[in-house]
Amino acid sequence: AQSVTQPDIHITVSEGASLELRCNYSYGATPYLFWYVQSPGQGLQLLLKYFSGDTLVQGIKGFEAEFKRSQSSFNLRKPSVHWSDAAEYFCAVVGSNTGGFKTIFGAGTRLFVKA
Amino acid sequence: EAGVTQFPSHSVIEKGQTVTLRCDPISGHDNLYWYRRVMGKEIKFLLHFVKESKQDESGMPNNRFLAERTGGTYSTLKVQPAELEDSGVYFCASSPQGALNYYEQYFGPGTRLTVT
Repeated sequence: AQSVTQPDIHITVSEGASLELRCNYSYGATPYLFWYVQSPGQGLQLLLKYFSGDTLVQGIKGFEAEFKRSQSSFNLRKPSVHWSDAAEYFCAVVGSNTGGFKTIFGAGTRLFVKA
Repeated sequence: EAGVTQFPSHSVIEKGQTVTLRCDPISGHDNLYWYRRVMGKEIKFLLHFVKESKQDESGMPNNRFLAERTGGTYSTLKVQPAELEDSGVYFCASSPQGALNYYEQYFGPGTRLTVT
């Protein structure tokens, strides 16, 4: 069955430090991968997506993610975290053999930023 | 271009009552999806409309949930009667037709439902 695993429920980093949020997926074909962010009181905002091509994708707010097929991973990174990055981050996969085009989400990683 | 909108933003009802959530997709988007996140769990798919037809409703938890999309524009999700375990955030998403467009879904801000 298709699934997305985010092994870290929450992470705390210092402002200005680098960040990596982990995501592993289980999917039978080429996945279409996404990272979303949900800030307090806000909806889901798309950070970046991977469909094909260059395995390092750039997103908004200075985020990037790297698709590694051999590791079934799509980790999210940011070189220097800002206090406004504190939010919950969701990795997701969409594909036609999930029984339609529904999005399958990971459980989310909550990011805390300390001064 | 307006994004996906959802109404209300927050609803508090008592167990046994009825609640109707509304979603207005991005204009011209034929695909409309409902998802929900109950406390501490993943965001889970509920169903998918293509225009006014239900393409996939495999995620609907039980027959207390009824989704409609009359005319292929906005959609409603009714919960009747509501139970405590229905509390959570209900997200709506939409996407246009065609190729890769299926894969990129635009999400609304969600409706937070609290059943007491």
